[in-house]
Amino acid sequence: EAGVTQFPSHSVIEKGQTVTLRCDPISGHDNLYWYRRVMGKEIKFLLHFVKESKQDESGMPNNRFLAERTGGTYSTLKVQPAELEDSGVYFCASSRPTGGSYNEQFFGPGTRLTVL
Amino acid sequence: RKEVEQDPGPFNVPEGATVAFNCTYSNSASQSFFWYRQDCRKEPKLLMSVYSSGNEDGRFTAQLNRASQYISLLIRDSKLSDSATYLCVVNGRTSGTYKYIFGTGTRLKVLA
Repeated sequence: EAGVTQFPSHSVIEKGQTVTLRCDPISGHDNLYWYRRVMGKEIKFLLHFVKESKQDESGMPNNRFLAERTGGTYSTLKVQPAELEDSGVYFCASSRPTGGSYNEQFFGPGTRLTVL
Repeated sequence: RKEVEQDPGPFNVPEGATVAFNCTYSNSASQSFFWYRQDCRKEPKLLMSVYSSGNEDGRFTAQLNRASQYISLLIRDSKLSDSATYLCVVNGRTSGTYKYIFGTGTRLKVLA
């Protein structure tokens, strides 16, 4: 099966600009997650979709971040306006609809965002 | 205090060596545990889940001690291809959803 894909792989923008990241989960995976790794820090949870519904967005840093998953397929994460501290690698992951706590999450290759 | 703590390393070991990584977690309500492997500039990939009874997959053995809130990974007969960052991941249920909490990762370099 095709894995989780993310676009773009890299993005370099200036402070104040807007960037939209896209994630296509594995087909049939209802659960979709966004994570972020800031340089030197651990990967941190941002939010979780179940189909098109936001299940948990407790990790979103502030209201400059907006995630959507219209139709319950791919998801976008928009940062507007971008700040320097938003630089990092944004990972998307997906998992099967059921499976309990040992339900494996499959990660995409990430989008490396640099804000200048 | 971080929710999941790992020694960042790096661990530099010769080929064929046995190396062990440890991880501690702070939330006693955590429900499931994993070791993920991440190669440089790549995505994390599941290496193995960690069960209370301990589990083994070839050269890899994972142990979980819930009482001490401690997870370990043992790699025997290290190969050059084992060089990577090993991420300790704890899964807990909060706000009705399972959420991965990552450690910072332990870097391993296996030397020829």
